[in-house]
Amino acid sequence: DAGITQSPRHKVTETGTPVTLRCHQTENHRYMYWYRQDPGHGLRLIHYSYGVKDTDKGEVSDGYSVSRSKTEDFLLTLESATSSQTSVYFCAISPARDRGGEKLFFGSGTQLSVL
Amino acid sequence: QQQVKQSPQSLIVQKGGISIINCAYENTAFDYFPWYQQFPGKGPALLIAIRPDVSEKKEGRFTISFNKSAKQFSLHIMDSQPGDSATYFCAARFGANNLFFGTGTRLTVIP
Repeated sequence: DAGITQSPRHKVTETGTPVTLRCHQTENHRYMYWYRQDPGHGLRLIHYSYGVKDTDKGEVSDGYSVSRSKTEDFLLTLESATSSQTSVYFCAISPARDRGGEKLFFGSGTQLSVL
Repeated sequence: QQQVKQSPQSLIVQKGGISIINCAYENTAFDYFPWYQQFPGKGPALLIAIRPDVSEKKEGRFTISFNKSAKQFSLHIMDSQPGDSATYFCAARFGANNLFFGTGTRLTVIP
């Protein structure tokens, strides 16, 4: 999937534990995004990054934090996981020639279950 | 509140038929309208996109029709094939990076 690797692919965790999802890209694209996909909601933007150390909140950012210390890596952290954060998480990237939000390339997703 | 409303939720079409998926929006500041296709176990992939200054865009069997005054846009899949069976998402962009997705349409094309 367009040089995007998400890890882990599947994770089961318990309520209250911290969880970090990793997105690694080999395309050197400027923009990186974290989305969650839930039935009846489509995909919703959690956070995005427009450069190293430059991030901003999306539509559903509460309970999530992100970090981007290198162009190729974008981390999503759930500080204290809750059952409502059970979802499929997708990382996406987009080249700098766009204003952002165009031509998104998605990873294969991480299925997270919070018990 | 769903920024982009998509219908139908599911669609069954015979092979060779036309599949039509509709989306509606309220925010007139949206400036880019893509459609994404998603197969099971995979991430969405950009299929086709349109800007609001154009009323129609065609790429192969896929066409977007855009009605700015009605604030609606639709995806038409001509000569639908079983390989088109997937979930389709419309989306709309506000400003930079804020892409709002519809809730998805599961398309099944029967051979």
